[in-house]
Amino acid sequence: GQNIDQPTEMTATEGAIVQINCTYQTSGFNGLFWYQQHAGEAPTFLSYNVLDGLEEKGRFSSFLSRSKGYSYLLLKELQMKDSASYLCAVFTGGGNKLTFGTGTQLKVEL
Amino acid sequence: GAGVSQSPSNKVTEKGKDVELRCDPISGHTALYWYRQRLGQGLEFLIYFQGNSAPDKSGLPSDRFSAERTGESVSTLTIQRTQQEDSAVYLCASSQGAAEGYEQYFGPGTRLTVT
Repeated sequence: GQNIDQPTEMTATEGAIVQINCTYQTSGFNGLFWYQQHAGEAPTFLSYNVLDGLEEKGRFSSFLSRSKGYSYLLLKELQMKDSASYLCAVFTGGGNKLTFGTGTQLKVEL
Repeated sequence: GAGVSQSPSNKVTEKGKDVELRCDPISGHTALYWYRQRLGQGLEFLIYFQGNSAPDKSGLPSDRFSAERTGESVSTLTIQRTQQEDSAVYLCASSQGAAEGYEQYFGPGTRLTVT
């Protein structure tokens, strides 16, 4: 079966750095996505990793280790608007399905 | 350009009634996906369309659920004899292709409430 684990909730301070971890055990792996979802809104794409290593995009970076079944999303210089749910999703099987974790609810405080 | 659109945005229906949800993907996107998101939970894959290939229906929870897509355009998700457990947000997404690396663009969702 497919299993993707993320912490349920995290709290961080404005201006700080936060790391959201994701571990997965899936039958097949063709890449890992991170999406951001604000309450009541659709998920929006943040990053995609298929090779090991760090992908940096502005304040957001994503890391992947395929051998460890592990990824993290790093958010720097946190802003209040970063308060949202962060979804880890793995491309599995025939490459056409995204299996999502339950998401990590991040709260940014002053 | 226009993103993925879905209608209605909200639907309240009585248990046992049928509902039809609509998705308009981004023009030119060959792949279309339906997901369900229950309150406080992650996204659950339902069905996937890619071009003229047979759809992948492996995520549909029961035979009360069905979906159609006309070519590479509009898709409808139909739920027959709705149950209270069907209450959720139904999200549609489209992408340029089905291979890995193609970002999925999500619509705003349809919030379905079965009373």
